[in-house]
Amino acid sequence: NAGVTQTPKFRILKIGQSMTLQCTQDMNHNYMYWYRQDPGMGLKLIYYSVGAGITDKGEVPNGYNVSRSTTEDFPLRLELAAPSQTSVYFCASSYDWQFDEQYFGPGTRLTVT
Amino acid sequence: EDKVVQSPLSLVVHEGDTVTLNCSYEVTNFRSLLWYKQEKKAPTFLFMLTSSGIEKKSGRLSSILDKKELFSILNITATQTGDSAVYLCAVLSGNTGKLIFGQGTTLQVKP
Repeated sequence: NAGVTQTPKFRILKIGQSMTLQCTQDMNHNYMYWYRQDPGMGLKLIYYSVGAGITDKGEVPNGYNVSRSTTEDFPLRLELAAPSQTSVYFCASSYDWQFDEQYFGPGTRLTVT
Repeated sequence: EDKVVQSPLSLVVHEGDTVTLNCSYEVTNFRSLLWYKQEKKAPTFLFMLTSSGIEKKSGRLSSILDKKELFSILNITATQTGDSAVYLCAVLSGNTGKLIFGQGTTLQVKP
């Protein structure tokens, strides 16, 4: 199993550009999550999904969109990049929301200038 | 508003020392508390605690939860330089797996 994979590893965007962060898991997990981690801080939940076709907002959803057309993939879209979106983005997945830990991908470091 | 607070924010010790990391929380609809270790990359899972007073142990690491006083501690005995990392505490809240993270404790273990 590759676990949770994310692409790209690094990206620099100009203000106003858009991009999609890819996340794929091969563990057949229903639950998937996107977090952002700002320097010296913990992780904050952006969006989550409880299964294909079902998504919902987390703590900090503004400026982002997600979709979940398959169990495996959970892409995160930034439409109009802003400097405040400079952060490290982690995707995670879990089999059971209550009794299973979340498995994290390696992260995408995004800089918006 | 749900809140998870860790202390201290940073800590420097020498190899062989014992450290205690603290995590307090105010969360509605508490399900469980998790500890993760982060070494400049993705967080890796350490413990999940759901019941008060039952210590979880893995090698030199142990953790316990107090649901009455709303806190948890993570102990690391006989620290090694490989223990240097950010330790994250997170509380699982609600019915959909939402994790609320603390700001983390940065531990540096000097040789």
